[in-house]
Amino acid sequence: GENVEQHPSTLSVQEGDSAVIKCTYSDSASNYFPWYKQELGKRPQLIIDIRSNVGEKKDQRIAVTLNKTAKHFSLHITETQPEDSAVYFCAAFSNDYKLSFGAGTTVTVRA
Amino acid sequence: GAVVSQHPSWVICKSGTSVKIECRSLDFQATTMFWYRQFPKQSLMLMATSNEGSKATYEQGVEKDKFLINHASLTLSTLTVTSAHPEDSSFYICSAPISGGLNYGYTFGSGTRLTVV
Repeated sequence: GENVEQHPSTLSVQEGDSAVIKCTYSDSASNYFPWYKQELGKRPQLIIDIRSNVGEKKDQRIAVTLNKTAKHFSLHITETQPEDSAVYFCAAFSNDYKLSFGAGTTVTVRA
Repeated sequence: GAVVSQHPSWVICKSGTSVKIECRSLDFQATTMFWYRQFPKQSLMLMATSNEGSKATYEQGVEKDKFLINHASLTLSTLTVTSAHPEDSSFYICSAPISGGLNYGYTFGSGTRLTVV
């Protein structure tokens, strides 16, 4: 099955700085990579996703890059704000029709 | 948009009792429902996959007799935690693929916080 590794586990940034979270996956057949933001006690919220036929995608302050050869993808948040503080999960969807999640990154934006 | 309604949002039960969690798809048909468990400060771990009209598929290490899953209709999937024990206390959350099948896109229920005392 798919194995997704995520780093770092915690990330503290000054407001206005950028945050980068990196993930690797093991199954070369994986073709869909969503990123979720989860606040305490709530459901994961999709913030951006990328498919295997695309190398980069951007949505305002959030961007995701995908390197299929190296089997890694990254989330970039620019101009961070206090409301960006949350736990972020990367995930990979593979041909066994399952979504495998990374371990999560707790992001804290310091005002 | 596609919404999955999950109930209850939280439940406290005594050790040895059973608890049922429901997930209903609103405005779309969920032929498949994924059930996850999330312990504090940990990731979402897939427990099982339910398919309408057939038996659920359980992940390795998940007891199928303890976590009963029923997916009797295209809009309702249930998870019953039988003979609950304190170690079953966790956040349970369901998720259904949208966009016409397993072709990307998932919607999550709001989660159920189970506390077994």
